[in-house]
Amino acid sequence: GESVGLHLPTLSVQEGDNSIINCAYSNSASDYFIWYKQESGKGPQFIIDIRSNMDKRQGQRVTVLLNKTVKHLSLQIAATQPGDSAVYFCAEWALGGGADGLTFGKGTHLIIQP
Amino acid sequence: GAVVSQHPSRVICKSGTSVKIECRSLDFQATTMFWYRQFPKKSLMLMATSNEGSKATYEQGVEKDKFLINHASLTLSTLTVTSAHPEDSSFYICSARGTSGGTGELFFGEGSRLTVL
Repeated sequence: GESVGLHLPTLSVQEGDNSIINCAYSNSASDYFIWYKQESGKGPQFIIDIRSNMDKRQGQRVTVLLNKTVKHLSLQIAATQPGDSAVYFCAEWALGGGADGLTFGKGTHLIIQP
Repeated sequence: GAVVSQHPSRVICKSGTSVKIECRSLDFQATTMFWYRQFPKKSLMLMATSNEGSKATYEQGVEKDKFLINHASLTLSTLTVTSAHPEDSSFYICSARGTSGGTGELFFGEGSRLTVL
């Protein structure tokens, strides 16, 4: 079964607000984490990644936080825009985590309300 | 960034026919490509690993005779769904890992939606 899961299947936020998408993982051996964005009918798009020796990493409007103590990963999107509407997947990478090394979470559908 | 292209993006076929989906790495050489299947509102499910010049490695439960994979060059892998049936209808996605390898450095294609009537 999957070792990475998301707390909420759907998250609805107002345009301009900040969004926080959460992810729990169970493999303490995972040493690399990635957030992907998938728009309807398209393949996953890399957003941001973080290695296990870090607890925070920032990109453009996005921040990923890693709490290894509680095996928790989050994606923060600042000032959400309509184009942010998508399904967001977290993925963890670990040796033995599959041929591609990745274990995907179930996904959170982010809906941006006008 | 690196680009992975899939073709066709959509295909509709009749039950019993075979369908080929191509996955190309456009600006890098990919020694390894992966094929995934995704059902509506679900996460990606790894089907198989395609290695250039060797046989594909299939995940447990995936029929290798049903889903034929060929990785004839460093830039092209193909997935052929043989004798397709309605239950094969799905969104198929490929990813490619560059020759530099690395952890999680996968680039995904845009996906191919197969509908079997």
